[in-house]
Amino acid sequence: AQSVTQPDIHITVSEGASLELRCNYSYGATPYLFWYVQSPGQGLQLLLKYFSGDTLVQGIKGFEAEFKRSQSSFNLRKPSVHWSDAAEYFCAVGARGGGNKLTFGTGTQLKVEL
Amino acid sequence: GAVVSQHPSWVICKSGTSVKIECRSLDFQATTMFWYRQFPKQSLMLMATSNEGSKATYEQGVEKDKFLINHASLTLSTLTVTSAHPEDSSFYICSATDRGGNTDTQYFGPGTRLTVL
Repeated sequence: AQSVTQPDIHITVSEGASLELRCNYSYGATPYLFWYVQSPGQGLQLLLKYFSGDTLVQGIKGFEAEFKRSQSSFNLRKPSVHWSDAAEYFCAVGARGGGNKLTFGTGTQLKVEL
Repeated sequence: GAVVSQHPSWVICKSGTSVKIECRSLDFQATTMFWYRQFPKQSLMLMATSNEGSKATYEQGVEKDKFLINHASLTLSTLTVTSAHPEDSSFYICSATDRGGNTDTQYFGPGTRLTVL
């Protein structure tokens, strides 16, 4: 069975600083990988996804993520954080041919200090 | 594109009553719709998967008689919480995959906050 670990429950960064949110997955083959963002009381917005090909994936709002098979990781990065980036971030893994089911990590709460 | 809506956005009901939540794909036809439950400050837990015209597939531990799912069309799925109790209070989120696009990507609705008194 697939699983996702987001080791950091909370992260605080200063506005303008760089950001990296960690995500490790467990899956027997190459998975589909996603990052979603959730603002308070809202649904999830897709930031980016990795299916195959280039392991560095660009997403919306200036985010990017890199798939590293050797480390089973899919960390999310942003070079300069904006106050509006404060939210909950979820990493998710989907099984190829697995009926589109997603397994979510526990999330990382990002706080941005002005 | 790929917008999913939910109605209502929040609902308060008395214990013992039933509540229906709608999930609609507004600008695409959904191959599959998913229903999740999210407790405060926790991750999303998949409850069930539904395909248009078929019975929903429930995850282990989810009571199918309590959480009735109907997927009547390619753009509408409903979740009915029957005989709701306070422990059913939660944030319910649906998602859908685009029949005409990459069916491995789920698009999420804004969620429905259910409070059972």
